[in-house]
Amino acid sequence: EAQVTQNPRYLITVTGKKLTVTCSQNMNHEYMSWYRQDPGLGLRQIYYSMNVEVTDKGDVPEGYKVSRKEKRNFPLILESPSPNQTSLYFCASRYMGRVFFGPGTRLTVL
Amino acid sequence: AQSVSQHNHHVILSEAASLELGCNYSYGGTVNLFWYVQYPGQHLQLLLKYFSGDPLVKGIKGFEAEFIKSKFSFNLRKPSVQWSDTAEYFCAAYNAGNMLTFGGGTRLMVKP
Repeated sequence: EAQVTQNPRYLITVTGKKLTVTCSQNMNHEYMSWYRQDPGLGLRQIYYSMNVEVTDKGDVPEGYKVSRKEKRNFPLILESPSPNQTSLYFCASRYMGRVFFGPGTRLTVL
Repeated sequence: AQSVSQHNHHVILSEAASLELGCNYSYGGTVNLFWYVQYPGQHLQLLLKYFSGDPLVKGIKGFEAEFIKSKFSFNLRKPSVQWSDTAEYFCAAYNAGNMLTFGGGTRLMVKP
């Protein structure tokens, strides 16, 4: 089954404690991206990747890092999380305009 | 920069009422347009998309949207809503620069 998976689905952490949210897709898509969803703001793109070892900033990249060492994985890294990064995060992969979203990761930073 | 605007943040309707959700985008070039739905506790699902051709696009669950280029609009419609349509709806636009930009979302509540 074609899908995008994210882990963990829920995470509560404290300010400053580094965390990684994993994202994996099994469709061999070159394009992957991360979004955060906040009430009234919709989904805003954090980072995207056109292919392995190619990443670029989206609209709200501050406080986040990504890596793309292999095509299927695109982890999101928060080196020093802060409360304003409390949000719902979605990973997505895309091919020919069709976007496949992961199930989301709800992150709370205390 | 490209932007997508959804005019209604919250909409409350009774069952069988007609629905129209507004969406405007700012990009002037070739653009692909989407409507996504997010049911409570679930991730986004594609309702419909417009790439080219007939500007009236039909999607799943009885939804349709009309692309009006002169108005930079892509409004979502459904003639008769059901309680199960309660969800949040997102308009999105994708341009040749590879950015998929979302609107702020519209929360629809349908009263039984």
